[in-house]
Formats: sequence, structure tokens, C-alpha cells
Amino acid sequence: DGGITQSPKYLFRKEGQNVTLSCEQNLNHDAMYWYRQDPGQGLRLIYYSQIVNDFQKGDIAEGYSVSREKKESFPLTVTSAQKNPTAFYLCASIPSDRRAYGYTFGSGTRLTVV
Amino acid sequence: AQSVTQLDSHVSVSEGTPVLLRCNYSSSYSPSLFWYVQHPNKGLQLLLKYTSAATLVKGINGFEAEFKKSETSFHLTKPSAHMSDAAEYFCVVSEANQAGTALIFGKGTTLSVSS
Repeated sequence: DGGITQSPKYLFRKEGQNVTLSCEQNLNHDAMYWYRQDPGQGLRLIYYSQIVNDFQKGDIAEGYSVSREKKESFPLTVTSAQKNPTAFYLCASIPSDRRAYGYTFGSGTRLTVV
Repeated sequence: AQSVTQLDSHVSVSEGTPVLLRCNYSSSYSPSLFWYVQHPNKGLQLLLKYTSAATLVKGINGFEAEFKKSETSFHLTKPSAHMSDAAEYFCVVSEANQAGTALIFGKGTTLSVSS
């Protein structure tokens, strides 16, 4: 079945560490997105990518970095510059005609700073 | 710029009673509108979508929503709540003429269902 796979499901980070969250899709979708979810704040956009080798900052990109070397993959790195990284991270993808389909979401990665 | 307001952060209903989750939007163009559901520690699942076809949209699990342009609303309803409907619900808007930007999410409504 086609879908989006996020790994790991749970991730623990020490202060000052960089960690990378994986997002892989086999839906042949062009655009991919990373969102951060905090209680009571809904979803906030971190980065998005419309095509391979191109990506754009979202509303809260500081302290994060991404790459899009392959259509199927859009990994997110949470750097030590992100001061409050504990959150639930969701990856999503969408085909070119976003009006018709809406997003497909992965099952998320919960990141905790220890 | 478009925006989404979910009017209730928390809604509580009894099993078997109707559900109403309210959503107002602001958009400069003809919007596409979506409702998503999220169960604890899970991703978001698409419930239904409006993309300028019929104004009454039917989705999965018995949910439906009506697009009312004059009221800029897209409220989600279900005639009879089930315990499994307890989750968080997000209303989402996308403007038709914008390219290269992501969808805008409301802050979510938590639905509680009691027996």
C-alpha cells in the first residue's frame, strides 16, 4: 500500500545534539512538508519542498534544516540551535493538484529532549 | 491572506447525540477546505474535502460538512456520535490561486464522547 513512513516513532535528544527525522513516501507525490505540533497550537509549518533539490522555509524554520535529494525522501534535521525541540513532528505529502486531494500524513515522530 | 478559526477548542457530547464542530475561514479567493481527524500519537487522516463542487460534502465515518460562502463557514457535523469519534479535529484551508505554499490549519477542536 502507498503511504508515508516516518521514523523513528519516538526519539530522545540530549542537549546540544543534532537529530534527523526520516520521512519517506511511495505515493509519487511532488510536494512534501514538515509540521510541528504542540498542544493547543495546532500544526505549524517548518519547511516544505515542491520539487527535488528545492525547498522553502515555513513559519518556524529557525533551528531546523532539510534536504530533498530524492522525490521519495524529505528528512528533517533538528539542530542544537532549536531551543525547544520537544514536540510531535508530522510529515505530509501532496500531488501537484493539491485542491483535489489534500494531504497524506505520516504517523509522526515524537521528539523529547532529555 | 487566508486563515482558519475553529470556534471551540473542546466539545463534549454523549454517545448517540449529534456532533457539531465549528470552523470559519478567511480567504481572498475560492478556497479548498478540508477536515482532518487525529487520534492520540497518530498522524492526521482526511475526513472530507470541499473543492468548489457540491456545497454539502460527505466524508468517512458518517461525517459531513456544509460550505456556506455567505457565512464563510465550513462546520463539521455527524448525526450520532460514537465513542471512537473521540479525537482532535482540524479544519484546513487552501487558496486556489496560491502556488508553492502549504495549507493553513486551525488550532484544532478536541472532541470528547461520553457513554
